[in-house]
Parts: sequence; C-alpha cells; structure tokens
Amino acid sequence: SQTIHQWPATLVQPVGSPLSLECTVEGTSNPNLYWYRQAAGRGLQLLFYSVGIGQISSEVPQNLSASRPQDRQFILSSKKLLLSDSGFYLCAWSVRTYSNQPQHFGDGTRLSIL
Amino acid sequence: ILNVEQSPQSLHVQEGDSTNFTCSFPSSNFYALHWYRWETAKSPEALFVMTLNGDEKKKGRISATLNTKEGYSYLYIKGSQPEDSATYLCAFLQGGKLIFGQGTELSVKP
Repeated sequence: SQTIHQWPATLVQPVGSPLSLECTVEGTSNPNLYWYRQAAGRGLQLLFYSVGIGQISSEVPQNLSASRPQDRQFILSSKKLLLSDSGFYLCAWSVRTYSNQPQHFGDGTRLSIL
Repeated sequence: ILNVEQSPQSLHVQEGDSTNFTCSFPSSNFYALHWYRWETAKSPEALFVMTLNGDEKKKGRISATLNTKEGYSYLYIKGSQPEDSATYLCAFLQGGKLIFGQGTELSVKP
C-alpha cells in the first residue's frame, strides 16, 4: 500500500532562518506531488506541484521554493523565513491520471516563526 | 481566480441529527469535485471524487450529490455521531490542480 511521510511535525524557527521540510511517498511510482499551506483562518492554498523529477510549478509568489530530487521525494525550502510563513504545511500525492483520483495527504508540519 | 465557496462556515448539531453542507464552484470547464474530511490532529482524508453531473455517492452515513450545470454539490450526514466532528473540505479540479473551499467545521455534541 502507498504511504506518505512528512517531517517534522512541528517546527519553531526564528525570522531569517532557513527552512527545509521533507516529504516522501512509498508504494507508488511517478506520483504527482503537492505542497499546500493553511494559514490561520484560511483554507488550503496550493504552493507548488510537481509532475516529475526536477519539474516544479509555483502557484503563488512567495518566499518559498520546492525541489524534487527523486521521484518520490519533495522538499519545501526557504533561505530566509518571514513571519508570514507561519502556518500549517501539508504534502500530498496523487496518481498521474488525476481526473477521478483523490489526493492523499501527509500529517502536516506546523511551522511557527518567532 | 476561481472561487470555491462552502457554507455554512461552521455547524453545531446534536448526536443523531442529520445535516448537510453546500459547496459552490464554477459551472464551466468542470472536471471533478472532491470532498475531504479533516479531523483535528490528522491529515485530510478523501471522501468522494465526483465527476458526472447528477452523480450521487455514498460512504456509510455520508453521501454527496453533484450538479455541474448549476455549480454546486451537497454533502449529507445522516444521524451525526461525535466521531463525525471534523472540517469538511470540497475542492474543484482545474488544470490538474485542486482549488479548495474554506471548509465547513462540524461539531457533533453527544
């Protein structure tokens, strides 16, 4: 069966520090991968998605970047965190034929910027 | 920018009550409408993926209907239980990406 792992579960970082959140998927090949953020009081916002190694699409201008160094690994990064980067970050995957397939989410990372 | 609207924003019901929520989405260029349940301290869990106008799907006490021509979907919970307490999210598929609504937060009191 397929599983998705996302870590860390919680993170407290000072403003201006770097960030690296990692997500890995097991039990499937060539998944679509996604990073979402839920800011306080708001819905899920898509940040990045990837359809293959090295292929990243950014949905909103921001202080973050994403990379996909391996087929089932998706990394969310920042060189210098801002206060506005606080929120709950979710990684998700789906099969490539996505029209009738759900997305499967990791457990999320709660990021607090001090 | 596409808008996916959910109502109500929150709902408090007693155990045993039946309830329903609404998801409104653009009626043009429809591909799929997803429903997810997001319990506190857990990850969102897929409930339904609906693709056909008039479609009705059921999973236990939860069911959903879809009207793509007018751009809405209803989620029904029959005989709500405390374990149904969660945020219910709908999401509209466009360009291979999901556009999420704000969610309906359901609280079921015993």
